[in-house]
Amino acid sequence: QKEVEQNSGPLSVPEGAIASLNCTYSDRGSQSFFWYRQYSGKSPELIMSIYSNGDKEDGRFTAQLNKASQYVSLLIRDSQPSDSATYLCAVKGGGFKTIFGAGTRLFVKA
Amino acid sequence: SQTIHQWPATLVQPVGSPLSLECTVEGTSNPNLYWYRQAAGRGLQLLFYSVGIGQISSEVPQNLSASRPQDRQFILSSKKLLLSDSGFYLCAWVKDSDEQFFGPGTRLTVL
Repeated sequence: QKEVEQNSGPLSVPEGAIASLNCTYSDRGSQSFFWYRQYSGKSPELIMSIYSNGDKEDGRFTAQLNKASQYVSLLIRDSQPSDSATYLCAVKGGGFKTIFGAGTRLFVKA
Repeated sequence: SQTIHQWPATLVQPVGSPLSLECTVEGTSNPNLYWYRQAAGRGLQLLFYSVGIGQISSEVPQNLSASRPQDRQFILSSKKLLLSDSGFYLCAWVKDSDEQFFGPGTRLTVL
């Protein structure tokens, strides 16, 4: 069974700090990797996609992918209270299905 | 730009009653469409996906069914709801890239 694992948290960081969210996956054939942000009571919102090894930066967000270690991470720099949410890691192989992790809850303390 | 709609936004239904949730996408054609369920504090469970009109793939055997009567319409149904059907139902679409975009969701409570 293909799996995506995340630490459920909560991860608590002070405002202005770097939040580091991690994810591992079991399917070595996975090709596409995503991070979604989900506020309480709302639907998931795509914040980052990454397809090749290395880092990808978008504003305060950096996604990191290491296919050899089957590991993907999300760094949030200068964390703000508005970043407090659940972050879902998602992984897709060659078919139609995307597998989602259960999410990590992040709290940014003002 | 593309927009995805879901309704109703919230629903409270008694056990044993029928269900119909609707999802429509605007601004694109022939998208892949998905139904997910998210139980409280849990991850996303894929229920159904569709790559075209009338084409439905079921991921979890249960008392739910799905239909795609039109290119941009995806419907989730049940003849008799169970308590365990409570949750947050999400519709998502994919076009060209692998990125999935979600609708606002329907929160279903079965009493």
